Amino acid sequence: QVQLQESGPGLVKPSETLSLTCAVSGYSISSGYYWGWIRQSPGKGLEWIGTIYHDGSTYYNPSLKSRLHISVDKSKNQFSLNLTSLTAADTAVYYCARESLVSGATSVCYFDNWGRGTMVNVAS
Amino acid sequence: SSELTQDPAVSVALGQKVRITCQGDSLRSYYASWYQQKPGQAPVVVIYGQYNRPSGIPERFSGSGSGNTASLTITGTQAEDEADYYCHSRDSGGNHVVFGGGTKLTVL
Repeated sequence: QVQLQESGPGLVKPSETLSLTCAVSGYSISSGYYWGWIRQSPGKGLEWIGTIYHDGSTYYNPSLKSRLHISVDKSKNQFSLNLTSLTAADTAVYYCARESLVSGATSVCYFDNWGRGTMVNVAS
Repeated sequence: SSELTQDPAVSVALGQKVRITCQGDSLRSYYASWYQQKPGQAPVVVIYGQYNRPSGIPERFSGSGSGNTASLTITGTQAEDEADYYCHSRDSGGNHVVFGGGTKLTVL
């Protein structure tokens, strides 16, 4: 059974950097899949932040790319997010999730496992 | 294009059928997946690959699609189906994840 667990500070000051970690159990990140971060501001919809492939390739939301870095630590079976220059607009629940991607004439993608999410407030 | 469009809100009478739609150019290259999210909970996939239902998801949930439109249908809607529903695919280039804006389903 694959499980993902986000961890990080619940409160961060404006202009500071958010660091979150997603610990994965029940599956080795090195074995495959895409590993993503998604956030949800209060009362709003899901926003994709970025994704890291098991080989370390990263893909970022263009609107966050200049502030974002995602990395993977295979020895700890976890991946991490760093988001700099925080503002109140970054206040959200942050989820990590595993994405399956199967290429074909019409490709298939879906997030089959999600963490429970962690609330991050950006406030002074 | 990297947008998926959903109706913000849909309502359905208890026990009736409801269809939630998702439109976007990327759906010509990627099958949609659908997520149910209840308040305070993480999203749960209910349909993937346009019409596949994960184990544990009730049979009343089904998916379909054609061209640039995907649909999630709930047949015999139950009170516990009241939730937000999101569609998901990749953009046409394949490198970026895209979510629809979400549809709030109200069961009357």
